[in-house]
Amino acid sequence: GAVVSQHPSRVICKSGTSVKIECRSLDFQATTMFWYRQFPKQSLMLMATSNEGSKATYEQGVEKDKFLINHASLTLSTLTVTSAHPEDSSFYICSASLSVNTGELFFGEGSRLTVL
Amino acid sequence: AQSVAQPEDQVNVAEGNPLTVKCTYSVSGNPYLFWYVQYPNRGLQFLLKYITGDNLVKGSYGFEAEFNKSQTSFHLKKPSALVSDSALYFCAVRGAGNTPLVFGKGTRLSVIA
Repeated sequence: GAVVSQHPSRVICKSGTSVKIECRSLDFQATTMFWYRQFPKQSLMLMATSNEGSKATYEQGVEKDKFLINHASLTLSTLTVTSAHPEDSSFYICSASLSVNTGELFFGEGSRLTVL
Repeated sequence: AQSVAQPEDQVNVAEGNPLTVKCTYSVSGNPYLFWYVQYPNRGLQFLLKYITGDNLVKGSYGFEAEFNKSQTSFHLKKPSALVSDSALYFCAVRGAGNTPLVFGKGTRLSVIA
């Protein structure tokens, strides 16, 4: 199956700093990637859809200026949490689709962000 | 808008017994249905999917799921549970095109030796 790599897997930062999370499709090109956020013992909530070469589409309630998404190439999307606060602490997971026709998304291993 | 319901927060089953994790969905048009498994502090692993074809879908690790259009259900099953199957299971649905997955809230499966 397709491989999606996410980095870093864990990050701890101070309140007010910015953190960048990378999502790479290793063996396929992904024109679209999706970013999800997961709170403890809860489901995955879609944050935004990242489209290569264009602006991301954010879900309602997600601050686009807080969660900056860049999809500069067909294999890389980045999520930057700007001016992080403790309430931004969460598990962030990216995913990409191998094919529109096959449907399934392949997920990265996730990045656990802890803001002190 | 599409949605997924997983009515059980927790399912407990003895090792060797059959297991079922329930899922119902709502979507406009033909559904693309998926099951994923998540182990602690890990991403999601794909188990199986239904796009078209046979209603009974076989997937990884001996899991299978049955698509029931009239009941809008896609329950996950396994004939004989293993302790190593203990994890968090998510049912998900997406519509046609390059659209995101919508997840259920998840069901925690606990297989007891």
